[in-house]
Amino acid sequence: QKEVEQNSGPLSVPEGAIASLNCTYSDRVSQSFFWYRQYSGKSPELIMSIYSNGDKEDGRFTAQLNKASQYVSLLIRDSQPSDSATYLCAVFDTGGFKTIFGAGTRLFVKA
Amino acid sequence: DTAVSQTPKYLVTQMGNDKSIKCEQNLGHDTMYWYKQDSKKFLKIMFSYNNKELIINETVPNRFSPKSPDKAHLNLHINSLELGDSAVYFCASSQVTGGASEKLFFGSGTQLSVL
Repeated sequence: QKEVEQNSGPLSVPEGAIASLNCTYSDRVSQSFFWYRQYSGKSPELIMSIYSNGDKEDGRFTAQLNKASQYVSLLIRDSQPSDSATYLCAVFDTGGFKTIFGAGTRLFVKA
Repeated sequence: DTAVSQTPKYLVTQMGNDKSIKCEQNLGHDTMYWYKQDSKKFLKIMFSYNNKELIINETVPNRFSPKSPDKAHLNLHINSLELGDSAVYFCASSQVTGGASEKLFFGSGTQLSVL
C-alpha cells in the first residue's frame, strides 16, 4: 500500500516566524508532489507543486523535494494568522492513476 | 464561473435511504474523482474516471455507484446508507498528461450526515 506520512501536529508558530511542514512518501517512482491548504469547513486548495529535486519558491512558500530520501517539505516564511489551516501533502501515484494524500498537518500561527 | 461544482452542500438522511450527489466541472479536464474525508480529516480516494471510463475503484462497498455520463460530469449514488457513511465527500478534477498529474481542483464538498 503506497503511503504518504505527515506529522498531524498541531504545529504552532508565532506570527512572522518560519513554519516548516514535512512529508515522506513510500513510492520511489513518484514524480509529482503537491501541497494543499485546507481551511476548516472548506475544500483543499493547491498552493504548491514540485516535480524536480531541489527548492521551488512562490511568494512566501517554498517547497523542497528530495527524491533520494523520499521527502517533501513546505516552508512558509513570515507566517501570518491567515496561514492557520491544515496542510495536506499529496503524491501522484502514476501507476495507480490517483493522488494519495497524507493525513495533514494542522498549523496555528499565533498573532 | 465555478470550476467544479457539486450539489447538494449538505445532505441529512436516515439510515437505509438512497441518495445522490452530483458534480460538474467546466475546466475541460479529462479526469474526475470522488474523495471521502472522514472525521479525522483524512482524504481518501474512492473512484476516478478518465474520459467517462472507470479507472480506480478503491475497495469501496458496492452500495456506492459512480456514474459519468460525459467527461464533465461525475455523480455518486449511495444505496442503503449506513451511519459509517457520514463524512464529507469531495468531487475533484484534474488533467493528467504524460503520466504526471496537474493540480486537483476540488468542489466545495457535500457534508453527508446519516442519522
